[in-house]
Amino acid sequence: GEDVEQSLFLSVREGDSSVINCTYTDSSSTYLYWYKQEPGAGLQLLTYIFSNMDMKQDQRLTVLLNKKDKHLSLRIADTQTGDSAIYFCAEARRGQKVTFGTGTKLQVIP
Amino acid sequence: EAGVVQSPRYKIIEKKQPVAFWCNPISGHNTLYWYLQNLGQGPELLIRYENEEAVDDSQLPKDRFSAERLKGVDSTLKIQPAELGDSAVYLCASSLGGGTGDDEQFFGPGTRLTVL
Repeated sequence: GEDVEQSLFLSVREGDSSVINCTYTDSSSTYLYWYKQEPGAGLQLLTYIFSNMDMKQDQRLTVLLNKKDKHLSLRIADTQTGDSAIYFCAEARRGQKVTFGTGTKLQVIP
Repeated sequence: EAGVVQSPRYKIIEKKQPVAFWCNPISGHNTLYWYLQNLGQGPELLIRYENEEAVDDSQLPKDRFSAERLKGVDSTLKIQPAELGDSAVYLCASSLGGGTGDDEQFFGPGTRLTVL
């Protein structure tokens, strides 16, 4: 079945850029997502990218997709303490369920 | 506008007891999801409803889990009897319709279940 993998933990200093990486196995994935989960809260959709795109930028967020390597990344520019959270990568084919990764815990050091 | 509402937020029960979770989706959202999130893991889909119809319940352990969405709005998820391994966060999400792809899912805060 589909599998989505992420590193477990990332620590950065406030003001630096964060890059969170993800790999997936389903070459038929149509949509790739990044969600944010703060402590005690549900998941919040940050951004998503279609599989026919290789980059999407939204304010401080940049998503890069390497479809050949099935690699997705999320770059957060000028990382702030409020960005501390768990970030989930997820993928879906059109008409199919969303499969989530295990999450990367981002710690921002003031 | 209120987001997805779930209750209770926390529940502690002894094993073999029944437990129920309730979810009120965002008004107008036709699709409702129940997810299981174990500690240190991403959410895993248990069941998806399109209005009243369960269109994907392949991951729901039907021997002890049941769910309903009688009027196509609120939903309840029940476990009877609960086992130690059921300790997790149960997330509810809703979306306008279509169920997947670019149909954005909005998540509730979850119910954290502890089975002793």
